[in-house]
Amino acid sequence: DAKTTQPPSMDCAEGRAANLPCNHSTISGNEYVYWYRQIHSQGPQYIIHGLKNNETNEMASLIITEDRKSSTLILPHATLRDTAVYYCIVSRSSGAGSYQLTFGKGTKLSVIP
Amino acid sequence: NAGVTQTPKFQVLKTGQSMTLQCAQDMNHNSMYWYRQDPGMGLRLIYYSASEGTTDKGEVPNGYNVSRLNKREFSLRLESAAPSQTSVYFCASRGQGHTDTQYFGPGTRLTVL
Repeated sequence: DAKTTQPPSMDCAEGRAANLPCNHSTISGNEYVYWYRQIHSQGPQYIIHGLKNNETNEMASLIITEDRKSSTLILPHATLRDTAVYYCIVSRSSGAGSYQLTFGKGTKLSVIP
Repeated sequence: NAGVTQTPKFQVLKTGQSMTLQCAQDMNHNSMYWYRQDPGMGLRLIYYSASEGTTDKGEVPNGYNVSRLNKREFSLRLESAAPSQTSVYFCASRGQGHTDTQYFGPGTRLTVL
């Protein structure tokens, strides 16, 4: 699986958009970009994923560059409850059970009142 | 629908003792996973089970055994606990198909003295 690079920490003012970058320059054509977050010491929580196109759901938006070498997770209106470690993961989903997530250290997002 | 449940939530062992961590999911998922998370680190895969009756090693399998008891349950056993196994253990499950994601349990916090 492709490796990812994320900044270790970021701050964001409450109510503003949080833009979390991720570099994955060695991504392969069949690899997806996934974002998870971990609030305090809870189990990781799925946020969003994408292959080529930008994606949006009720939690966030995912912007993937045209060359797929980087992506940005956008939390449109950050709240204090969004303070967490955010993991960008590139993984190949075969549907045959060989799907695995490789977690790095992620980005610690602190939402400031 | 409880999702992924883990027992116990906390455990303290002495070096050399054995114990089994239990995990169950009620989402009819085929794949199940065991991860460990050391302080300040991302999650590392210990073992996974792509489907009932199969198990495979992940990144850090030494010192652990697993059993996929049935489709719902996947247990992790420490035969002779060591202080290096002090960690938080997370279980996860995943359905079939490329759009399915992993759902994590709340974790078991294990201390080995």
